[in-house]
Amino acid sequence: QKEVEQDPGPLSVPEGAIVSLNCTYSNSAFQYFMWYRQYSRKGPELLMYTYSSGNKEDGRFTAQVDKSSKYISLFIRDSQPSDSATYLCAMSHTGGGNKLTFGTGTQLKVEL
Amino acid sequence: DAGVTQSPTHLIKTRGQQVTLRCSPKSGHDTVSWYQQALGQGPQFIFQYYEEEERQRGNFPDRFSGHQYPNYSSELNVNALLLGDSALYLCASSLRGVVAVPNTGELFFGEGSRLTVL
Repeated sequence: QKEVEQDPGPLSVPEGAIVSLNCTYSNSAFQYFMWYRQYSRKGPELLMYTYSSGNKEDGRFTAQVDKSSKYISLFIRDSQPSDSATYLCAMSHTGGGNKLTFGTGTQLKVEL
Repeated sequence: DAGVTQSPTHLIKTRGQQVTLRCSPKSGHDTVSWYQQALGQGPQFIFQYYEEEERQRGNFPDRFSGHQYPNYSSELNVNALLLGDSALYLCASSLRGVVAVPNTGELFFGEGSRLTVL
């Protein structure tokens, strides 16, 4: 069993839709939770970062962490074609340095 | 402000050969990590360098080695290449080896070096 599970998709939605992306994990030591966006043939870029449980909002993006269920989510409101990319969840534990454990990524396509 | 730069962007090798990939961290960063991303997978941590020493290592064999120079740039070396080593190799940099602390430890990735082993 992988430490981090993520539905690979692909996920196709119409422009303006609300998108929900999710990951589950098994390592209870994870404390830092991140969402990265990766466009084709590019490196991942950090979208959202959350420490421990709770919600965080940044513009059209909302990240949620439920440590009791070992479940994290990223919501994208009013999705745009420019949001079409692969979304990777990543997590780390205290003292983990730069060792992030990534999900496999969910490929999202937002259609006009 | 230059971000993380990697070279070469693409390369093709044959089984058994050796390869060296290079990375320059984002200006002001002193810590470099390397990740391997196979097609359709998330990146996997290879190792992290700080103060010219390997500080952490993921589950990769000794064929994977690295180096960090005094100017913080880094190299990833892979010996005795296998077909399974074909992947996108990503370099990421941060400050002081602290990850995921807003504005100080954010991990910045380069665009990667795509290695194909035939």
